[in-house]
Amino acid sequence: AQKVTQAQTEISVVEKEDVTLDCVYETRDTTYYLFWYKQPPSGELVFLIRRNSFDEQNEISGRYSWNFQKSTSSFNFTITASQVVDSAVYFCALVIRAQKLVFGQGTRLTINP
Amino acid sequence: DTGVSQDPRHKITKRGQNVTFRCDPISEHNRLYWYRQTLGQGPEFLTYFQNEAQLEKSRLLSDRFSAERPKGSFSTLEIQRTEQGDSAMYLCASSLERGGFSYNEQFFGPGTRLTVL
Repeated sequence: AQKVTQAQTEISVVEKEDVTLDCVYETRDTTYYLFWYKQPPSGELVFLIRRNSFDEQNEISGRYSWNFQKSTSSFNFTITASQVVDSAVYFCALVIRAQKLVFGQGTRLTINP
Repeated sequence: DTGVSQDPRHKITKRGQNVTFRCDPISEHNRLYWYRQTLGQGPEFLTYFQNEAQLEKSRLLSDRFSAERPKGSFSTLEIQRTEQGDSAMYLCASSLERGGFSYNEQFFGPGTRLTVL
């Protein structure tokens, strides 16, 4: 079975702090995709990044960076110099065999001014 | 607007009534997914279509739920004899799949929030 665990239910930091959101996944498949989505208070899920299981290269996009480690089945997400607009619920998700997304329970991130 | 749209955005109904939701995917997308999200949880898969064919249904989708995508474009999700436990956000997503293993991201609509009284 496939499973995604986001152990951090809620995180609260002060603006400009760096924050890392953890994601651990389980699958027996060797081919899979991992995703991060953001769900702001408006409710719409916003795609952030996709990574396939053959590409362990870390990625940086502006203040966002992702660390994919197959050895520990983790796909962690770091926001550098956080801003109030980063406040949202963040979901990590897994896809195998090009079918449904399996989501974690989400991490509610609050950035305080 | 070329994103995924859903209608209605909010629905309040009494227990036992039937409700129907509509999803219009991004026009060139051949896959359409339905998910359900309850408070404090991540979205859970319900069903998906490749063009007009419904390829998978979750065990969450009881006999009271039915989904269609008659012409491979928009989709409807109907819940019959609603129960209070059906109260949730119903999310639709679409993607463009070209076959093989290349898998593209799903784009989500704003959701339909259902409240069953």
